Amino acid sequence: GDSVTQMEGPVTLSEEAFLTINCTYTATGYPSLFWYVQYPGEGLQLLLKATKADDKGSNKGFEATYRKETTSFHLEKGSVQVSDSAVYFCALSLVGQNFVFGPGTRLSVLP
Amino acid sequence: NAGVTQTPKFRILKIGQSMTLQCTQDMNHNYMYWYRQDPGMGLKLIYYSVGAGITDKGEVPNGYNVSRSTTEDFPLRLELAAPSQTSVYFCASSLGGAPLHFGNGTRLTVT
Repeated sequence: GDSVTQMEGPVTLSEEAFLTINCTYTATGYPSLFWYVQYPGEGLQLLLKATKADDKGSNKGFEATYRKETTSFHLEKGSVQVSDSAVYFCALSLVGQNFVFGPGTRLSVLP
Repeated sequence: NAGVTQTPKFRILKIGQSMTLQCTQDMNHNYMYWYRQDPGMGLKLIYYSVGAGITDKGEVPNGYNVSRSTTEDFPLRLELAAPSQTSVYFCASSLGGAPLHFGNGTRLTVT
């Protein structure tokens, strides 16, 4: 079946460090890809998305590029802040089917 | 614009008790979902609905029931609470194929 794999956490970085969270997927069709973020005590919020190969989603300094050849959608940010501490979920969605989420990666950014 | 509203925020149940988790959205979304999130795990789909009067099982429906009498409301019913149902429950909604909008969750403990 369809699935999403994310790098194991937690990830701990110092402020202004470079962030990469790896995400790869398996899908029978041609999915849309998403990154969601969950701040403590809150629900998930859409961070960015991409709907076709080579699309780059971006928001709040985060970026991810849809790589069909490697079935990946890695999340990057050039300089993280303490306020970026959260759990990040990679997800896919196929037309007419439900979302599939990865297990989440917890990021802690230290001042 | 309230978005997706869940009540209550917290609840403690004794084994065998029943309760209803409420979810309402004001975005006129046709799709609505219930997920559970266990510690360190991703989201598991319990039930979903593609419109009023239509519901369907997700990955982990056992022990739960839902109804969708209106577009706005999608309550989740636990009939005989068990410790395995201790979790954080998220309701979400979307227009078909669009990103999910999440509520802030209900933290349920069954003792």
